Amino acid sequence: GDSVTQMEGPVTLSEEAFLTINCTYTATGYPSLFWYVQYPGEGLQLLLKATKADDKGSNKGFEATYRKETTSFHLEKGSVQVSDSAVYFCALTTLRGDSSYKLIFGSGTRLLVRP
Amino acid sequence: EAQVTQNPRYLITVTGKKLTVTCSQNMNHEYMSWYRQDPGLGLRQIYYSMNVEVTDKGDVPEGYKVSRKEKRNFPLILESPSPNQTSLYFCASSLNRASGNTIYFGEGSWLTVV
Repeated sequence: GDSVTQMEGPVTLSEEAFLTINCTYTATGYPSLFWYVQYPGEGLQLLLKATKADDKGSNKGFEATYRKETTSFHLEKGSVQVSDSAVYFCALTTLRGDSSYKLIFGSGTRLLVRP
Repeated sequence: EAQVTQNPRYLITVTGKKLTVTCSQNMNHEYMSWYRQDPGLGLRQIYYSMNVEVTDKGDVPEGYKVSRKEKRNFPLILESPSPNQTSLYFCASSLNRASGNTIYFGEGSWLTVV
């Protein structure tokens, strides 16, 4: 079945370091891909998304490119801040039997940025 | 402000005591769903609803019920809670069932069943 695999955390970085969180997926058809972020004590917020191959989603300095050939959607940021400390979820939508779309999440990667 | 509001945020209850977690959205969204979040498992869908009076099972529906009598509300009902339902629960909504739509999440409800 369709699935999302992301690197296990926690990922610990110093402020201003480069961030990569790997995400790969398995899906039939043409899924849309998402990164959601969960700050401590809060719900999930959409960080960025890409709906077709080679699209690049970007927001708040984060970027991810939809790579169909490698089935990947890695999250990157050039210079992280302490305020980026959160749990990051990679997700995809997949078609269900009733023609609705279902969101499938990875297990989440915790990022801790130290001053 | 666009919001998904769920209550209670925190609850400790005993095995077998029925409880309801409410969820309300103010965006006139058609699609609503419930997820549970457990360590190492990410978020798993419990139930979803494509519109009023239309609900269906997600990946982990056992032990839960839902209803969608009004467009804005989608309560989650645990008729007889058990300790394995201790989890963090999220309600979510989106405009409709199409792929690519942004899904909006509530702030979560921490439920502990003892």
